[in-house]
Amino acid sequence: QSVLTQPPSVSGAPGQRVTISCTGSSSNIGAGYDVHWYQQFPGTAPKLLIYGNTNRPSGVPDRFSGSKSGSSASLAITWLQAEDEADYYCQSYDSSLRGSYVFGTGTQVTVL
Amino acid sequence: QVQLQQWGAGLLKPSETLSLTCAVYGGSVSGYYFSWIRQPPGQGLEWIGEINPGGNTNYSPSLKSRVTISIGTSNNHFSLKLISVTAADTAVYFCASRTTIGYYMDVWGRGTTVTVSS
Repeated sequence: QSVLTQPPSVSGAPGQRVTISCTGSSSNIGAGYDVHWYQQFPGTAPKLLIYGNTNRPSGVPDRFSGSKSGSSASLAITWLQAEDEADYYCQSYDSSLRGSYVFGTGTQVTVL
Repeated sequence: QVQLQQWGAGLLKPSETLSLTCAVYGGSVSGYYFSWIRQPPGQGLEWIGEINPGGNTNYSPSLKSRVTISIGTSNNHFSLKLISVTAADTAVYFCASRTTIGYYMDVWGRGTTVTVSS
């Protein structure tokens, strides 16, 4: 059911920078709708990480940053830390489905 | 920021009705948009539907024929009903809220595991 495509997994050593892509289409990201990112640890609820493409909620480290271009978006994690090992999901809004929220397929980040 | 506490039956038989409730603390149900989202075992997130402050609903096209989201009239809560469940409805169900500003969920419930099995 996911209409936003993410790589299944990315990995990096502590201190490195990793990026996660989120590819949509002309009815969601490409239509101008914002992209938001969530972090999820096993057995817990997702937590809002980035909203409105680039904004961090209070308490989210500035190691996390978001960007958007065309029909795609990216989440970057700099200075990767062991505590960043989690699943990450992008989310947007889709006008082709009578106005529905759509999530990405999810990316598992592994810290080597 | 509001807090959400959810509950409901965790084990259902095929064809039964899933019923979950989410209580809202620290704010009024009339001030936020509330969604239900589910996550099948080992899979990603799927949006089920949303109810707005005026009580109007919007459902995922794939679930629309079986879903009802409503706001409680006497208590500060909202509910999810999903009829005619099958094993494919087995998932962790989350309630979540957003403000009127953006289409993102900034507060989530802890999740309820629902298993459909005969």
